[in-house]
Amino acid sequence: DAKTTQPNSMESNEEEPVHLPCNHSTISGTDYIHWYRQLPSQGPEYVIHGLTSNVNNRMASLAIAEDRKSSTLILHRATLRDAAVYYCIRISNAGGTSYGKLTFGQGTILTVHP
Amino acid sequence: KAGVTQTPRYLIKTRGQQVTLSCSPISGHRSVSWYQQTPGQGLQFLFEYFSETQRNKGNFPGRFSGRQFSNSRSEMNVSTLELGDSALYLCASSLRRDSTNYGYTFGSGTRLTVV
Repeated sequence: DAKTTQPNSMESNEEEPVHLPCNHSTISGTDYIHWYRQLPSQGPEYVIHGLTSNVNNRMASLAIAEDRKSSTLILHRATLRDAAVYYCIRISNAGGTSYGKLTFGQGTILTVHP
Repeated sequence: KAGVTQTPRYLIKTRGQQVTLSCSPISGHRSVSWYQQTPGQGLQFLFEYFSETQRNKGNFPGRFSGRQFSNSRSEMNVSTLELGDSALYLCASSLRRDSTNYGYTFGSGTRLTVV
């Protein structure tokens, strides 16, 4: 299974930026990096994904290291609603058995303080 | 547009019984995946359906099965329920099978309690 490593937990203050790291040192050239988050009592929610270049959307930014062995999800101004478990997931582009399947790790529990 | 709808939201069953859970994907989405979430094991992939065929399967016993209908709605069935089957069951849909460059949309899940 494609493996990523994330810190178990992180804390932030409201309205401050949050940088959530993810290590994927064994990533292959065609693997995408996806981020999902899960708020309490809800299903996971797609946040952002990327391959090589940094990506921005309305929710967050994704910074991918030049060697692609790590990435960072950036929440520019944390709000209390951003308190969730954040999952960094590698998705192989090898086809077949990787389709339709997300391999979740334990994720990072983000606590946001008022 | 409507999201992924899972029914029922909560379910209590007795050991040995069977249960059927339902998932209606986002309109136009043809890939439906199922996941089990427990405190001990986290989120684990059960199986994926596309065009009414199971295309991918996780490491679960044969008591766990599913199907997909022509309108892409999907059901999963668990037979001979065990206490350890108590979990949150999540359904996710996607426009395409190739998930590498697309995101999945998850439902809120069905909370199954086996007593």
